[in-house]
Amino acid sequence: DGGITQSPKYLFRKEGQNVTLSCEQNLNHDAMYWYRQDPGQGLRLIYYSQIVNDFQKGDIAEGYSVSREKKESFPLTVTSAQKNPTAFYLCASSAGVRSSPLHFGNGTRLTVT
Amino acid sequence: GESVGLHLPTLSVQEGDNSIINCAYSNSASDYFIWYKQESGKGPQFIIDIRSNMDKRQGQRVTVLLNKTVKHLSLQIAATQPGDSAVYFCAEKDNDMRFGAGTRLTVKP
Repeated sequence: DGGITQSPKYLFRKEGQNVTLSCEQNLNHDAMYWYRQDPGQGLRLIYYSQIVNDFQKGDIAEGYSVSREKKESFPLTVTSAQKNPTAFYLCASSAGVRSSPLHFGNGTRLTVT
Repeated sequence: GESVGLHLPTLSVQEGDNSIINCAYSNSASDYFIWYKQESGKGPQFIIDIRSNMDKRQGQRVTVLLNKTVKHLSLQIAATQPGDSAVYFCAEKDNDMRFGAGTRLTVKP
């Protein structure tokens, strides 16, 4: 059953701690994306990667870091430098060609107190 | 920067009626557009897409219309059902994908 797996579904951290969100896909997609969604709002792009070992900043990359060592995996680290880390984080992948849709995981809800 | 936005934040329709959700985009270079449906606590789900060389595309109970002249996109849902209640996003894709704020569709029985 192909898809995108984000884990965990809920994550709680204390302020000042770094936390890494997992995203794995078995769709053989080249491109992967991380979005942040705040309540009642749309999706904002954090980082994206079109190929292994390469990634680009999105609109709100500050306080976040990513790696793309394997095609299937695109973990996101929320660092202590991110001022408002509590949000719903969505990972997505696409075939990478221009006219291909993104396929999303079911998200990780991060709460930092 | 350029952005994708929506005309209305909420839409309430009666079950069985048709729904129309609108979206304005500002990047005239965008050539691929997608509608997504998001239910509470889940990731967005692909509904239908359209390329800029088309002005209409139909799926099962859904139709997307693209007007490049005024940079407007719409999603029509025929015979709206309670299961259609969700937030709907339009998105435009270049190297990355940009989303609007979303419209919450509520279907009244």
